Amino acid sequence: RKEVEQDPGPFNVPEGATVAFNCTYSNSASQSFFWYRQDCRKEPKLLMSVYSSGNEDGRFTAQLNRASQYISLLIRDSKLSDSATYLCVVKLGGGGSYIPTFGRGTSLIVHP
Amino acid sequence: SAVISQKPSRDICQRGTSLTIQCQVDSQVTMMFWYRQQPGQSLTLIATANQGSEATYESGFVIDKFPISRPNLTFSTLTVSNMSPEDSSIYLCSETSGSNYNEQFFGPGTRLTVL
Repeated sequence: RKEVEQDPGPFNVPEGATVAFNCTYSNSASQSFFWYRQDCRKEPKLLMSVYSSGNEDGRFTAQLNRASQYISLLIRDSKLSDSATYLCVVKLGGGGSYIPTFGRGTSLIVHP
Repeated sequence: SAVISQKPSRDICQRGTSLTIQCQVDSQVTMMFWYRQQPGQSLTLIATANQGSEATYESGFVIDKFPISRPNLTFSTLTVSNMSPEDSSIYLCSETSGSNYNEQFFGPGTRLTVL
């Protein structure tokens, strides 16, 4: 079983739609969770951290379910510019001493 | 965050040859990393580049195939040795200078094609 698993998609949605991605992780000792965004032929960039209580940043909501070992990303009112690959990232701890594990990413295509 | 540049941005190489990729950071950083991202796959950590000591390699990666240098706190190189078509990939340099060292910053990547 892979350490971090994501549905590769693509998720093909119209502008204005709400879309959600899930990501499961295998190591129950994992402590830090993130969503990164990677545009085509570009490097990954941090989208948001995922906190235990869930957190929101504008149209984006991230949630953590420790019992079921998954994190989710919800995007409301999708924009064309949201089209990208969304990478789930898990670390065993906080800080730079822990190496992150990346999922393979979920591809999102928002069409007019 | 530090600004990371990589050279070359892309290259097409013949099998059996070697390519050295350079990574330059515009400020001193403690930890630098080299990743590989094959088409449709997740980022895979090759090694952590340590300043003043040998790099720390992840399972499946060895120094003979991917020698790494880290001569100072702003620069690192990764060499892909004796290349085969299976080495065709994007190679990314990374560092974690963000708040609490949680955020990973990446260079623009080097797109390598081996014929």
